[in-house]
Amino acid sequence: QKEVEQNSGPLSVPEGAIASLNCTYSDRGSQSFFWYRQYSGKSPELIMFIYSNGDKEDGRFTAQLNKASQYVSLLIRDSQPSDSATYLCAGGPMFSGGYNKLIFGAGTRLAVHP
Amino acid sequence: EAQVTQNPRYLITVTGKKLTVTCSQNMNHEYMSWYRQDPGLGLRQIYYSMNVEVTDKGDVPEGYKVSRKEKRNFPLILESPSPNQTSLYFCASSSLIRGASYNEQFFGPGTRLTVL
Repeated sequence: QKEVEQNSGPLSVPEGAIASLNCTYSDRGSQSFFWYRQYSGKSPELIMFIYSNGDKEDGRFTAQLNKASQYVSLLIRDSQPSDSATYLCAGGPMFSGGYNKLIFGAGTRLAVHP
Repeated sequence: EAQVTQNPRYLITVTGKKLTVTCSQNMNHEYMSWYRQDPGLGLRQIYYSMNVEVTDKGDVPEGYKVSRKEKRNFPLILESPSPNQTSLYFCASSSLIRGASYNEQFFGPGTRLTVL
């Protein structure tokens, strides 16, 4: 069974702090990883993707991938109350022009308090 | 505006009464998928389609049907709904353009279904 595991949280951080969200995956065939943000009652929206080992930065967000450890993380710097949401980690095959199945984790709920 | 639409957004029905949830995308995407989201279980794929007339089962297909007669539409059919199909349903679509480095899945707004 291919799985993506996340701590359900809630992860509570003060405003301005760094929030660190973690995800592990079991399928070594997974090559690309996505972080989606989902506000309560809303649909998931993509905020970061990564497919190479190392770090990838985009504004306040940094995604980290370690394929040897099968570990993906998302760092949110200068956390804001508007970042309070559930963050879904998903893994899938490297794009091949074909099948596009993503395996989603159950999500980590982040609460940023003023 | 590029978007995925779903209808209805909310539905309360009774056991055994056939229903259809529609999904439509205006981005000319080849790939479409249905997910259900339940507390603690995350998003689980029900069915997917890689193009017109090409559909296949996801991880939890029992009790559901789909069709893909047009590229833009991918309806989800519950022939005989049961209470365990009470859930939040999302339709998603993405491009399968060869050579893209990733293929983001765009999600519809969701349909909250309650089966009594």
